[in-house]
Amino acid sequence: EVQLVESGGGLVQPGGSLRLSCAASGFTFSTYEMNWVRQAPGKGLEWVAYISSSAAIIYYADSVKGRFTISRDNAKNSLYLQMNSLRAEDTAVYYCARYSYGFNDIWGQGTVVTVSS
Amino acid sequence: EIVLTQSPATLSLSPGERATLSCRASQSLSSYLAWYQQKPGQAPRLLIYDASNRAAGIPARFSGSGSGTDFTLTISSLEPEDFAVYYCQQRTNWPRTFGQGTKVEIK
Repeated sequence: EVQLVESGGGLVQPGGSLRLSCAASGFTFSTYEMNWVRQAPGKGLEWVAYISSSAAIIYYADSVKGRFTISRDNAKNSLYLQMNSLRAEDTAVYYCARYSYGFNDIWGQGTVVTVSS
Repeated sequence: EIVLTQSPATLSLSPGERATLSCRASQSLSSYLAWYQQKPGQAPRLLIYDASNRAAGIPARFSGSGSGTDFTLTISSLEPEDFAVYYCQQRTNWPRTFGQGTKVEIK
């Protein structure tokens, strides 16, 4: 079964850091581009970051550029999002998603990040 | 940044009725638009890609059309499980952007 499972979410104070992980299974992870997408409470979807299959190409949304770092370990079938200098507006459910032919065809169940003092 | 505007914000319909959802882009997307469905507490699910292609396992009652700046998602006859929020998303430019969503609710 093709599956993505996120972990690492939690409660963190403003200015703090958190590292999200996404474990992939059921497909050849190393051949797929990946995205992180987030959804603030009661709001719509916001693309956060993209990484190519080899990690040679990376893009970020302006709202997280300079604070978040996307990475991957193809040997471990894992995707990561290092989040630093967190703000209240980063509070959201964070989804990892497989990116195929320009669209997110497989999504994880999401992990909740809450930034609050 | 490409802005996607979805309308209406909410669509109140009964099971068996036809649903027509709109997504308008601030610049031409060619056909590079997708539609997703999201139910409460669940992750989004890809329905349609490249404007009119159904993703794997998506029922035939879902169809997409359009090109350029105007796109439509049609659900030919609403089933109880179709009441959800629907988002469009473009892949023409970075950043990839989503519309704000259309909620299809039971009338």
